[in-house]
Order: sequence, then C-alpha cells, then structure tokens
Amino acid sequence: DAEITQSPRHKITETGRQVTLACHQTWNHNNMFWYRQDLGHGLRLIHYSYGVQDTNKGEVSDGYSVSRSNTEDLPLTLESAASSQTSVYFCASSWDSVNEQFFGPGTRLTVL
Amino acid sequence: QQPVQSPQAVILREGEDAVINCSSSKALYSVHWYRQKHGEAPVFLMILLKGGEQKGHEKISASFNEKKQQSSLYLTASQLSYSGTYFCGTERGDYKLSFGAGTTVTVRA
Repeated sequence: DAEITQSPRHKITETGRQVTLACHQTWNHNNMFWYRQDLGHGLRLIHYSYGVQDTNKGEVSDGYSVSRSNTEDLPLTLESAASSQTSVYFCASSWDSVNEQFFGPGTRLTVL
Repeated sequence: QQPVQSPQAVILREGEDAVINCSSSKALYSVHWYRQKHGEAPVFLMILLKGGEQKGHEKISASFNEKKQQSSLYLTASQLSYSGTYFCGTERGDYKLSFGAGTTVTVRA
C-alpha cells in the first residue's frame, strides 16, 4: 500500500547542530509540505514543493531549508538548531487542492 | 493568515450534537477538515469546494458559506470515537493549507 513515512520519529539534539528530518511518500504526489505543530498554534506551514526542483517558503520558514531532488522525498534541514525549534514536525503530500493531504506520523524534535 | 476557529473546546455527552466554526478574512477556494487524536497524525474528514461540492466522510457533515468565507462542521449524535482535536484548513487555489488553532472535542459516556 502507498504510504508516507518520516524518520526519525524522535530526535534530541543540541543547540547549533544541523539536523535533517526525512519524509518519503510512495503515492507519486507532486505536492509535498512540511508543518510544525505547537500547542495553541495548530499546524503552521514551513516549506512546500509542487514538484522536483521546486521549493517554496511557508509562513515560518526562517532557520529551515528543503530540497526536492525526486518525487518521493522532501527532507527538512535545520541549519543551526535553536530551542525555539523544539516541536512536532509533520510532513504531508497531496495530488492537488481538491483532494486530501496525507500526513506522515510526525517527528518529535527536542533541541536542548 | 490563519483562519479563526470557535469554540476552542467543547465537552459533549454521547448522542449530543456540536458545531465547530471556521472563518477566514480571505477569499477561499476550498476548506478542509481534519481530526487529530493525541499523539497521532491529522486524519482527513472532508473537503468543501467553492461552488458547493463536498468530498469526504459519510457520517460527518459540513457547510461552506462562500460569501462570508465561513465553514461549519456538524458533529451529530456524537460517539466516543469523535473525541479529538478538529482543525480546519483553508485553501486559496494554490494547494497550500492554512490551519486554524483547533477545537478540542471531548465526548463522555
């Protein structure tokens, strides 16, 4: 069955370190998204991609970057982790705006 | 800009009804509704499209007022399984969703 996976599921890192969170989907969706979820804020869009070699900034993109070298993967990189980036991160993918976004299981990141 | 959801929380007894509202200050192309259980990923419930088309869950209904840029999700005859946090996501024709802060629903026996 098609699916969307994220790894690692849990990560503890130190301030200033570079961290990469992986997202892999097997639906062949062109659209992929990264969100962070914090109490009281719901889901906030970090970066998104409409296809290979396409990346765009979302509403909370500072300190994050993504790259899209194939259809299946959209890794999220924290260039220099900060305590304010402690959060739960969700990756999602979709065909288009009239169909649902499928969410991955999430990665809980703690920056000490 | 995030849509505004209300109420923030609601407590129900099994069999009771509830309405969750979602409003935006921007013109919308579609409204998506998701439910999230604690520690899990959001799960799709329904999409409401500009023009009136709906796609999604058979047991949950919703409406979309295009003139007011408002959507409402109706939980009818609630069951214990309806407990969770409900999020609306608004979309303006660019495939991106802006999510509200969520409405926590607790259904008690």
